[in-house]
Amino acid sequence: EDKVVQSPLSLVVHEGDTVTLNCSYEVTNFRSLLWYKQEKKAPTFLFMLTSSGIEKKSGRLSSILDKKELSSILNITATQTGDSAIYLCAVSGNTGKLIFGQGTTLQVKP
Amino acid sequence: SAVISQKPSRDICQRGTSLTIQCQVDSQVTMMFWYRQQPGQSLTLIATANQGSEATYESGFVIDKFPISRPNLTFSTLTVSNMSPEDSSIYLCSVLAGELFFGEGSRLTVL
Repeated sequence: EDKVVQSPLSLVVHEGDTVTLNCSYEVTNFRSLLWYKQEKKAPTFLFMLTSSGIEKKSGRLSSILDKKELSSILNITATQTGDSAIYLCAVSGNTGKLIFGQGTTLQVKP
Repeated sequence: SAVISQKPSRDICQRGTSLTIQCQVDSQVTMMFWYRQQPGQSLTLIATANQGSEATYESGFVIDKFPISRPNLTFSTLTVSNMSPEDSSIYLCSVLAGELFFGEGSRLTVL
């Protein structure tokens, strides 16, 4: 059965800290891994990763995929209170359907 | 990219009633999905809405409870039938257009 596991489930840090969120997966015919940020209702897209070892970066956020280890990490440097959210990892196979992990709830304190 | 309009954005419903959620996309898309997010949980795929044919439901979800329509490539509806408090969730429409885009979600509270 396809599954996605994220860790930690929750995290509390202070502004300026660096955090690393983890995502591991088991999926048939892996196609891509996606990271989303969910603050209120709808998740907003952060990154899509398809190839191992290639880092994707957007401002203070970066992510990388390790297909050998079936995992990905999402790094956030110099965290701000606005980074407080649920971060979701999802994986797709060739059907296009996404399997979501449980999410990591990040709280950044001032 | 794709812009998705979903309505209602929220509603409070009585037990035993049904509610239909609408999803409108600003472009034609082949793949459209409906997800549910129960309080404190991650997203669970309900079904894939297929244009011109019956939706494909995931394990644990059935057509009688969650009938779905997909009359064309830009529009779909999800009905939550005979609601109970356990159906209180956010329901999200999503489309695959390169990556997966989500509507703003419909937060349903069943009393």
